Amino acid sequence: GAVVSQHPSRVICKSGTSVKIECRSLDFQATTMFWYRQFPKQSLMLMATSNEGSKATYEQGVEKDKFLINHASLTLSTLTVASAHPEDSSFYICSAGLGGGARTDTQYFGPGTRLTVL
Amino acid sequence: GENVEQHPSTLSVQEGDSAVIKCTYSDSASNYFPWYKQELGKGPQLIIDIRSNVGEKKDQRIAVTLNKTAKHFSLHITETQPEDSAVYFCAATLYSSASKIIFGSGTRLSIRP
Repeated sequence: GAVVSQHPSRVICKSGTSVKIECRSLDFQATTMFWYRQFPKQSLMLMATSNEGSKATYEQGVEKDKFLINHASLTLSTLTVASAHPEDSSFYICSAGLGGGARTDTQYFGPGTRLTVL
Repeated sequence: GENVEQHPSTLSVQEGDSAVIKCTYSDSASNYFPWYKQELGKGPQLIIDIRSNVGEKKDQRIAVTLNKTAKHFSLHITETQPEDSAVYFCAATLYSSASKIIFGSGTRLSIRP
């Protein structure tokens, strides 16, 4: 089956630090990847849609300058939390689909990255 | 846009009994309804899905039903086991890997021994 990985799985940083999270599709190419944020005991909230080779599409209320997304290849998307603050502490999850012109499949989720900002 | 409501928020059942989680959606254009299981500290895992051209789908102890007219869909777990304890999310979207998935609020299922 399709496997999506995330790195790191957990990060603890000081306030003001920028943190980069990687999302990789290991055995397939993903034209589109999605980034979600999940607070404790809550559902997944879509932050942005990442398209390979173009700018990401952000959901309403998500700061583009705060959450920088780059989708440089068909197997890698990165989310950078710029100048992280304690309120950015959360569980960040990416997803990717087999995609392409076929549009015939669902998305597969990564294992998530736990960010804690002190 | 699409809105998905999920009930109940918590559910506790005796081991061996059945569990049912219900969801409703608002956008009649949605045609794909996946269900995800999320264990503590992990990402969601797809456990079963159903497309709008099908009314019911079963995979061993898990089944999903869909009522397109009423915009309702449900997850049924039979013969529950301790390892079924987790948070379950329903979702609605278009059957496309490039479409947004709109999640329900989640159901925390606990299986009592």
